[in-house]
Order: sequence, then structure tokens, then C-alpha cells
Amino acid sequence: SAVISQKPSRDICQRGTSLTIQCQVDSQVTMMFWYRQQPGQSLTLIATANQGSEATYESGFVIDKFPISRPNLTFSTLTVSNMSPEDSSIYLCSVDLPGGPYEQYFGPGTRLTVT
Amino acid sequence: SQQGEEDPQALSIQEGENATMNCSYKTSINNLQWYRQNSGRGLVHLILIRSNEREKHSGRLRVTLDTSKKSSSLLITASRAADTASYFCATGVAGNKLTFGGGTRVLVKP
Repeated sequence: SAVISQKPSRDICQRGTSLTIQCQVDSQVTMMFWYRQQPGQSLTLIATANQGSEATYESGFVIDKFPISRPNLTFSTLTVSNMSPEDSSIYLCSVDLPGGPYEQYFGPGTRLTVT
Repeated sequence: SQQGEEDPQALSIQEGENATMNCSYKTSINNLQWYRQNSGRGLVHLILIRSNEREKHSGRLRVTLDTSKKSSSLLITASRAADTASYFCATGVAGNKLTFGGGTRVLVKP
């Protein structure tokens, strides 16, 4: 298994500003995933972050809005840029462990409110 | 877009009863997984069933998979108040990416 922490756990931000969310894993992992969960909704994958390469973004998400860093095998950041109230969501990171069987372990999430 | 659709969207049962929820999906999959989320927190993995498996058990959980119908079900037996949560199915395809269904909110009344 893996233990994942996220910072901050929640934040209230003004529109037009940016917030960087940190995700730390207690073991080395190849793939890290970032999800968005809008209020009352399911999870939507934003991007997949592999160490040493550019993140791969899903349809509807772009690097300018959600830049991701992956400096090593235990850490990643997601920035939500130029925020608007529509960005109010829970942002979750997850990992799967090398070799499979590919269940994912999730962080506790960052609850973001944009006013 | 969401691959899986879950049914029902919400379920209210008495403690001790069984809870069943269903998940349908659209495309071929490598595996199907079920997760639980308590009150806006992180997700907890419950069970994974591979595309070549038809049924799997883990404690009070029973999962079935019918790839011909592109559907899965999750049964929680002898439910407890602590089972109150949202339950999500997620389909796994190439590249380890997961696509989540809309979720079922389960309320277990004591």
C-alpha cells in the first residue's frame, strides 16, 4: 500500500489568483494522477504525471490552467491558475504501485473554494 | 466523460440489510474497481476484478462482472452504519488510467 498526504487540506482563494497543491507519497512510484471532484459529482482525471517527462492532460484540461510538476518519484504539485468560482472543487492525487495490480491509492484531497 | 453509470444514485437502508449497486460501462476494460468515499474525503480502494473474472469476494463485499453486458454489481451484506458513504465504480484501461462512474450515495440507518 501507499500513504499519501496533500497540502493544503483546504483553502479559500480569490478569483484571479493561483494555488499550488502538494502531493507527497511515502514510497517511490512511477505514475501519479490528479483528479478533480466538483461538488456532488464524481472524479474526473485531470492529468497523469510521470517523473522525468511532461504530464499528460485529459481532454478539457490544459497545461496553462493546471501546470504540474513531478520533480522526483515521491512528490508532485498541481497548480490551479487564474482561478474562477468554477474551479471550486476537491482536488485529489493518487498513485498506483509498480507492477500492479493497479488499484490506486488516494490522498485525502484538497478542498478549494474560490470566491 | 464518464465511462461508468451507476444505479441507483442514492440508496437508504436499515442496518443489517444488504445493499446492492450497479455499474454499467461502454468500452472494453482491463479491470473494474470499486472505491468508497466518506464525506468528501479521499477514496479508499475496496476491490478490483479483472476482465477475465466473473465474481470476487472480500469480507462482506461481493462483486460481479459481466463483460458481455458491460456491467458490474457491488453487494454489501449485513450493512453497518459505518458503511454510510459514496461508492464509485472505476474502469481501468490501458495506461493505468481510471474512469469513474457517477457514484451511489448509501445511507445506512441504525
